[in-house]
Amino acid sequence: DAGVTQSPTHLIKTRGQHVTLRCSPISGHKSVSWYQQVLGQGPQFIFQYYEKEERGRGNFPDRFSARQFPNYSSELNVNALLLGDSALYLCASSSLDSSNQPQHFGDGTRLSIL
Amino acid sequence: GQNIDQPTEMTATEGAIVQINCTYQTSGFNGLFWYQQHAGEAPTFLSYNVLDGLEEKGRFSSFLSRSKGYSYLLLKELQMKDSASYLCAVTPYGQNFVFGPGTRLSVLP
Repeated sequence: DAGVTQSPTHLIKTRGQHVTLRCSPISGHKSVSWYQQVLGQGPQFIFQYYEKEERGRGNFPDRFSARQFPNYSSELNVNALLLGDSALYLCASSSLDSSNQPQHFGDGTRLSIL
Repeated sequence: GQNIDQPTEMTATEGAIVQINCTYQTSGFNGLFWYQQHAGEAPTFLSYNVLDGLEEKGRFSSFLSRSKGYSYLLLKELQMKDSASYLCAVTPYGQNFVFGPGTRLSVLP
């Protein structure tokens, strides 16, 4: 069975541009969460979606937005990119909308801002 | 808010036992998770504690004490492939996962 898949794997952008990152959860998983991981730190929570509704939002500016589609895949959008947005963006899925469920991570998208 | 502390780096020898500690300050949480992350790869789920005590899964065990705000991950019979970062995470009531900074473990021959 396929795990969580993310695209693209790597991306280079310049300041001020926007980016869209994509995530397909494990088949049957309805919850998708997005995280930002800066080198040497743990993942920081950005958004969680369940059944196409936003269920949680971390401490990130409004430049960050996301959505979930009827097939439970998800997109993370970041506008007006800053140098500090350079990071690994991880998507994770779980079967239920419960904080007692382990999250299964994709390999991430490494975003570099020049 | 939540504050999770882990040692930044640890070194151990192949075949040995290592304990990675995690302390946290949070008013209440559903559970505590441990993840392993190899360099350049995604975090993978290792273990989950809801109740106080020890959960054992093969060479890996995780312990939780809610009253002491403390957890540890115990790795036995260390192998070279265990060299990775180990992330502690809690799920506070009404909130999503909060990860600690991670502990980078180096296993030496």
